[in-house]
Amino acid sequence: AQTVTQSQPEMSVQEAETVTLSCTYDTSESDYYLFWYKQPPSRQMILVIRQEAYKQQNATENRFSVNFQKAAKSFSLKISDSQLGDAAMYFCAYRILYSGGGADGLTFGKGTHLIIQP
Amino acid sequence: GAVVSQHPSRVICKSGTSVKIECRSLDFQATTMFWYRQFPKQSLMLMATSNEGSKATYEQGVEKDKFLINHASLTLSTLTVTSAHPEDSSFYICSARPPRDTDTQYFGPGTRLTVL
Repeated sequence: AQTVTQSQPEMSVQEAETVTLSCTYDTSESDYYLFWYKQPPSRQMILVIRQEAYKQQNATENRFSVNFQKAAKSFSLKISDSQLGDAAMYFCAYRILYSGGGADGLTFGKGTHLIIQP
Repeated sequence: GAVVSQHPSRVICKSGTSVKIECRSLDFQATTMFWYRQFPKQSLMLMATSNEGSKATYEQGVEKDKFLINHASLTLSTLTVTSAHPEDSSFYICSARPPRDTDTQYFGPGTRLTVL
């Protein structure tokens, strides 16, 4: 079974600074997806960034980037120029490559609560 | 972007009653929908995968007779919590996957269930 581990229950960063959230995972699959989701107090899950395991290039989305280390099974999220609106729970998630059988729900880590200090 | 709605957003019921939660994809057809459960300050846990026109696939440890899932159309999946008990109180979130964008799941806003 796949597992996703987020070892930082809570992180705090000054506004405009950079913060890195850690995530490791365990899988025997070679093809899969990794995601970072943000859950603000509204509880709505918002996709932050996605990485396909077969791609060596790290994904970036504006101020958000990942450091994907496939051999180490590590997938960290870097948030640059942190803003007050970034405050939320951040979940790392894993999914197998689309199997066609519908058996590709997400496996989530326990989350990291990100606090932005003004 | 794709929009997924859930109804109701909050529900309070008495122990022993059944509660139905709806998940709708508003601007796309979803052959597959997923149901997750989130306990307070905890992660999301996949409960089941709902495929249109066929039986749902339940994750290990999830009682299929307790959590009935029906995916009768390409835009609607329902989760019915039968004979609810206080331990079923939780936040239930659905997600839907468009057939042509198999990489992405779009999440609903969630339903807070409180069983008294």
